[in-house]
Amino acid sequence: DTEVTQTPKHLVMGMTNKKSLKCEQHMGHRAMYWYKQKAKKPPELMFVYSYEKLSINESVPSRFSPECPNSSLLNLHLHALQPEDSALYLCASSQSGTDTQYFGPGTRLTVL
Amino acid sequence: GEDVEQSLFLSVREGDSSVINCTYTDSSSTYLYWYKQEPGAGLQLLTYIFSNMDMKQDQRLTVLLNKKDKHLSLRIADTQTGDSAIYFCAEDNQGGKLIFGQGTELSVKP
Repeated sequence: DTEVTQTPKHLVMGMTNKKSLKCEQHMGHRAMYWYKQKAKKPPELMFVYSYEKLSINESVPSRFSPECPNSSLLNLHLHALQPEDSALYLCASSQSGTDTQYFGPGTRLTVL
Repeated sequence: GEDVEQSLFLSVREGDSSVINCTYTDSSSTYLYWYKQEPGAGLQLLTYIFSNMDMKQDQRLTVLLNKKDKHLSLRIADTQTGDSAIYFCAEDNQGGKLIFGQGTELSVKP
């Protein structure tokens, strides 16, 4: 089973809201990733967690706050977002930080 | 620096073969990947090739790797309308990051 699940599928939020995106995998993978993807563009890496520790932060604004409660779960907390943050947010996981990455279906975020 | 390049569009007729090309710059990459993305969906891992291989075949998919020219290709035999999607080539940079190409939008006409 190479399934990564993400909830919600769609999210609409105002610029003053606080919301969270969730990602889950049960493949025993020890690395998890957040990506942001604009339409018809490649995904852009935001954060990497390896063995539940933040290992890469690609200079993402502080209005995005990742959290890895355990090895199967990854959250992305959102606060005071801007309309330009509207995008598809993809989660991925891999066996370790240098292995093949498997992606979830994404959360389509719209910031009004 | 690291860079992966792909042509942006490819249009083929149903039943023909499709060939999507990719060039990369980092010769130290261990694996090279092809991902498929259908509209509104996430990235689906199609196939990958280890850097010491020249070719890998998986049903209708054939991946060719020319390490000397740093050129990777994906051939889809008997292309179907369900193959219409964006195809991303990616290399790993040994540091836990995937370097993606811009994606090739494949359009399959009946």
